[in-house]
Amino acid sequence: RKEVEQDPGPFNVPEGATVAFNCTYSNSASQSFFWYRQDCRKEPKLLMSVYSSGNEDGRFTAQLNRASQYISLLIRDSKLSDSATYLCVVNMGAAGNKLTFGGGTRVLVKP
Amino acid sequence: DAMVIQNPRYQVTQFGKPVTLSCSQTLNHNVMYWYQQKSSQAPKLLFHYYDKDFNNEADTPDNFQSRRPNTSFCFLDIRSPGLGDAAMYLCATSAPGQTYEQYFGPGTRLTVT
Repeated sequence: RKEVEQDPGPFNVPEGATVAFNCTYSNSASQSFFWYRQDCRKEPKLLMSVYSSGNEDGRFTAQLNRASQYISLLIRDSKLSDSATYLCVVNMGAAGNKLTFGGGTRVLVKP
Repeated sequence: DAMVIQNPRYQVTQFGKPVTLSCSQTLNHNVMYWYQQKSSQAPKLLFHYYDKDFNNEADTPDNFQSRRPNTSFCFLDIRSPGLGDAAMYLCATSAPGQTYEQYFGPGTRLTVT
């Protein structure tokens, strides 16, 4: 079993629609959780951290479910510019701030 | 603006010819990382420096080496590149004890001919 698993997609989303996807992690001792966004042939960029109480940043909402060991990302009112790969990233408590990356979920927003 | 810079952005090298990729940061973060990312795959951690302490991942080939002469700079040396080493190489930094976030440079895309 992979340490961080994501549905690779692609999720084909009509512009203006809502899309949500999850990520599961294997280590119950994981401490920090993030969603990064990566555009084609670009570097990953931090989209948002995921807090225990859930958090929202504009059209993006992240949730953490420690009991079931998954995090989720919801995008409302999808824009064409939201098309990207979304990487689920987990700090599993390893020394040196090592992060474990999921394989990414590809989202394609279409007119 | 504080940032992570990688040079060059694109590098072409010949099979077996040593190559060095560089990374610099103005964030004053004490941890620096090198990742390899191949197409449609997640970034794979090669090694990281916690200050001057070098930490190699168990499955990183000996062909890959790194140097960190000071806080700001970190280098990735590929001693004898093979065709399978063609990838995007990403440098990242973080400041432990804060939020554990990592900040990535734009990457160097390596082509091996």
